[in-house]
Amino acid sequence: KAGVTQTPRYLIKTRGQQVTLSCSPISGHRSVSWYQQTPGQGLQFLFEYFSETQRNKGNFPGRFSGRQFSNSRSEMNVSTLELGDSALYLCASSVGGPETQYFGPGTRLLVL
Amino acid sequence: KNEVEQSPQNLTAQEGEFITINCSYSVGISALHWLQQHPGGGIVSLFMLSSGKKKHGRLIATINIQEKHSSLHITASHPRDSAVYICAVRSETSGSRLTFGEGTQLTVNP
Repeated sequence: KAGVTQTPRYLIKTRGQQVTLSCSPISGHRSVSWYQQTPGQGLQFLFEYFSETQRNKGNFPGRFSGRQFSNSRSEMNVSTLELGDSALYLCASSVGGPETQYFGPGTRLLVL
Repeated sequence: KNEVEQSPQNLTAQEGEFITINCSYSVGISALHWLQQHPGGGIVSLFMLSSGKKKHGRLIATINIQEKHSSLHITASHPRDSAVYICAVRSETSGSRLTFGEGTQLTVNP
């Protein structure tokens, strides 16, 4: 099976812009979780989608949003980008229960 | 105090040494994960534990639920084991949400 894929892999934006990141889970996986990793805060949970519904949400402002499509692919959107949004954004997929998550390679976002 | 604490933060070893990385947490959990992150960012899930001990090749993970503590052991370490090792917990009340430790940077020298 193909692994979790994320596009784009690298992105440079300026403050105030918005960005959309995409994640394609492993075939058959219905849960997609998103994480932000920064040098200062480490890895932090953003949200999880399961069967097109947000099932869990971390402590991030409303500028961070996501959605999941019927084929389980997921997108996350960050509006009004701030310098502090520069980070590695990782998604992970699982079948849907509390089992092992499989991580994608990440999207590295730089906000200037 | 973070919900998940790892020690040590940095660890340097010689090839062949036995390595232990520790993780302590302060909440009731439904599962604990050990993850490995190589330079470049890719994360691999090594273990998911809710009790006892698991072994995969040279890696062993243990958990003591009563003491809220887990350890990751690497036997016969090799330079290719050099990576950041991250402990993450799924709390009893947070559903699927993972809370992460700060990670342990392991360097194994030949």
